[in-house]
Order: sequence, then structure tokens, then C-alpha cells
Amino acid sequence: GENVEQHPSTLSVQEGDSAVIKCTYSDSASNYFPWYKQELGKRPQLIIDIRSNVGEKKDQRIAVTLNKTAKHFSLHITETQPEDSAVYFCAANNQARQLTFGSGTQLTVLP
Amino acid sequence: KAGVTQTPRYLIKTRGQQVTLSCSPISGHRSVSWYQQTPGQGLQFLFEYFSETQRNKGNFPGRFSGRQFSNSRSEMNVSTLELGDSALYLCASSLLGDRVNEQFFGPGTRLTVL
Repeated sequence: GENVEQHPSTLSVQEGDSAVIKCTYSDSASNYFPWYKQELGKRPQLIIDIRSNVGEKKDQRIAVTLNKTAKHFSLHITETQPEDSAVYFCAANNQARQLTFGSGTQLTVLP
Repeated sequence: KAGVTQTPRYLIKTRGQQVTLSCSPISGHRSVSWYQQTPGQGLQFLFEYFSETQRNKGNFPGRFSGRQFSNSRSEMNVSTLELGDSALYLCASSLLGDRVNEQFFGPGTRLTVL
């Protein structure tokens, strides 16, 4: 089955700096890669997703890049703000459309 | 549109008991997935239901079961509870189409097993 590895598990950055979270996946048939943000005590919410027919997607301060050959994808957050502090999860689908999630990254933005 | 709702929000049970959790998807969403979230294991997939049929199943023991009703509402049941079943149980709904679509999560049910 699909295996998704996520690094780092914790990440601290100064406000205004950039943050990068990386994930690798194992199933070459995966074609959908969402990123979810989960604030403390709240439900996971989709912040950006990318499909395998594109290599990069941006939405304001957030971007995701996908390298299908290497089977890895990354989340980039620029100009980080305290409200970006949360746990971020990457995920990838398998052929049955089931999502497998990474283990999560606790991002802390220091003021 | 109302979001995904889950009831109850909190549950405290003792070992050996059973529990039933409920999930109401977003109107029009026919796919419901269940996940177990624990601090050490992240989000682990339990199962997915579509049109009252289980389409996918994760690697959980048979004590974990579910069902879906004709209105797409879903329930999951855990029998013979163990201490290790303490977790946040999340359900997520999505539209089903030609490709994988965004999953919308509910607020979760926090289960504590004593």
C-alpha cells in the first residue's frame, strides 16, 4: 500500500522567515496530494492541493511543488506569521482513492 | 452549506465496553471516511463508505466496524474497548467524481477509555 513519510516532525522559524515541509510517497500511481493544517483543538482543513499533471501551485504565501520522478512533494510557506503555527499534514492517494497521511509537522512561528 | 458534524464530541468509556460514533456529511457528499488520530500515530485510516457500502478498509482489528445509511450518515462502532483505543476519531466527507476530491473533516469525537 501507499507509504507517506513527512519531515521534519517539528519546525521552528522566526516570524517573516520561510518554512518548508517535505513528503515522499511510494505509490507511483498517486495523483492527488493535499496539505492539511490543523490548529490546536480544531479539525484538519485543506490549505492547498496539487494533482500530478502540474509541478507547482501557489496560493498567496503558500506553494506546493511536486516531483513525480523522485516521488516527493513539498509545502512552502513564505513570510510566516504567528497564525501559521499549527500541525501540517501531507497526504497522497492510492488507486482506491484512499488518502494516506504523513505523520505531521508541528510548525511554530516565533515572534 | 453546513459542515461535517460528529456526535458526541466527547466520550468516556471503560475497558470492555462498546461505543458508537456518528457522522453527518456535508449535504450531497456520499463518501464518508473515518480516521483515528493519536499523538504518536498521526491520522490513521479506518474505513470509507460510499452508497452504504464499505469501499476501503485500513489495518484495524475487527473490533472496529462501521456502516452508512441511505442519507449518507455514517456510524462507526468499537467493541470490547481497550485503553489504546483512546483517540480523536475524525470523519471526513467528499464528493465522489472521476477523480479524488477534497475531504472535509468533522470536529471529531474525543474518546477516552479508562
